[in-house]
Amino acid sequence: QSALTQPASVSGSPGQSITISCTGASSDVGNYNLVSWYQQHPGKAPKLMIYEGSKRPSGVSNRFSGSKSGNTASLTISGLQAEDEADYYCFSYARSRTSYVFGVGTKVTVL
Amino acid sequence: EEQLVESGGDLVQPGGSLRLSCTASGFTFSSYGMNWVRQAPGKGLEWVSTVTGPGTSTYYADSVKGRFTASRDNSKNTLYLQMDSLRAEDTAVYYCAKHFYDSSVYRYAFDIWGQGTMVTVSS
Repeated sequence: QSALTQPASVSGSPGQSITISCTGASSDVGNYNLVSWYQQHPGKAPKLMIYEGSKRPSGVSNRFSGSKSGNTASLTISGLQAEDEADYYCFSYARSRTSYVFGVGTKVTVL
Repeated sequence: EEQLVESGGDLVQPGGSLRLSCTASGFTFSSYGMNWVRQAPGKGLEWVSTVTGPGTSTYYADSVKGRFTASRDNSKNTLYLQMDSLRAEDTAVYYCAKHFYDSSVYRYAFDIWGQGTMVTVSS
């Protein structure tokens, strides 16, 4: 199962909004509204930020939002803060062989 | 507090075997599917395996199929990953992660993660 495509890096200034894209195929992102997003700080375990494309788990800031169009899902971080600097991974259920696939990851830098 | 603690990571020679463990606390372990996810040094996350709550079904990434075996002992609240025929490319931090449920429905996401255990395959 090939990894989902994400930009290697995205940057923004404090207070700005940034968007990270996640492109898959009709067998994963396009066919299911089951994309989740994870934040990972260096040396730490991933943290669930968004599930089912646009829903936030309890405790996650409403500055994080998700959406999907066709085979591409997106994560938007509004009001960028220094603590948002981390790696972000998308993740999707993949129909083939009942499996899952991660995106390659995007490094977010707060300028 | 829901918690997962992995153990068993070590340095092993190519072709060797290793068994990882993941001990859960703070939730009804047998009610949740559990997963292994790995991360090679400086690389991204890779889903490895899923075990259903009862342990009756398992799923694997193509990269480990036939070499790794995931299992669980619900009486011990523990998830296992038996890794055989190890290769250099299996070198990674291995995380266990719990299925995320909302309103009693599995949401195809993982909400609780352990801190990870390092596996190094090298001669």
